Amino acid sequence: AQSVTQPDIHITVSEGASLELRCNYSYGATPYLFWYVQSPGQGLQLLLKYFSGDTLVQGIKGFEAEFKRSQSSFNLRKPSVHWSDAAEYFCAVGARGYQKVTFGTGTKLQVIP
Amino acid sequence: EAGVTQFPSHSVIEKGQTVTLRCDPISGHDNLYWYRRVMGKEIKFLLHFVKESKQDESGMPNNRFLAERTGGTYSTLKVQPAELEDSGVYFCASSQGQVEDTQYFGPGTRLTVL
Repeated sequence: AQSVTQPDIHITVSEGASLELRCNYSYGATPYLFWYVQSPGQGLQLLLKYFSGDTLVQGIKGFEAEFKRSQSSFNLRKPSVHWSDAAEYFCAVGARGYQKVTFGTGTKLQVIP
Repeated sequence: EAGVTQFPSHSVIEKGQTVTLRCDPISGHDNLYWYRRVMGKEIKFLLHFVKESKQDESGMPNNRFLAERTGGTYSTLKVQPAELEDSGVYFCASSQGQVEDTQYFGPGTRLTVL
């Protein structure tokens, strides 16, 4: 069965600083990988996804993620965080050929001035 | 284009009562999913409709939960009778027909069972 681990429950960064959110997955083959963000009072919004090809994926709002098969990781990065990035971020994995998605427990990002 | 909508946004009921949650997917999306997040835990898959048919309901907790999707449009999720452990946020998502198509999520319904 597939699973996702987000080891950081809560992260605080200063505005303008760089950000990296960690995600490790467990799946027997090459999975579909996703990052979603949930802002307060909003639904989950897809930031980016990896299905195949280039292992460095660009997403919306200046985010990127890198798929590293050897480390079973799909970490999310942003070079300079804005106060509006404060939200909860979810990494997710999906099995190829099927749309069921398994989510991690989420990482809450706090941005301080 | 309207996104996925869910109603109500919040519901507070007492143990033993019945609650029905509604999800309206994006028009034209054949796939509809229900997920649930219990406080502090991960978002868990409940079930998946393709049009009006249940493709996978392996995540449904027990037979107190009943999901329907009449005519392949909106879906309802009924909890009867509700228990304390049913509290959480229920998300609905929809996608078009292909496996690679993005799942678009609604804002969720926060259910509190007292």
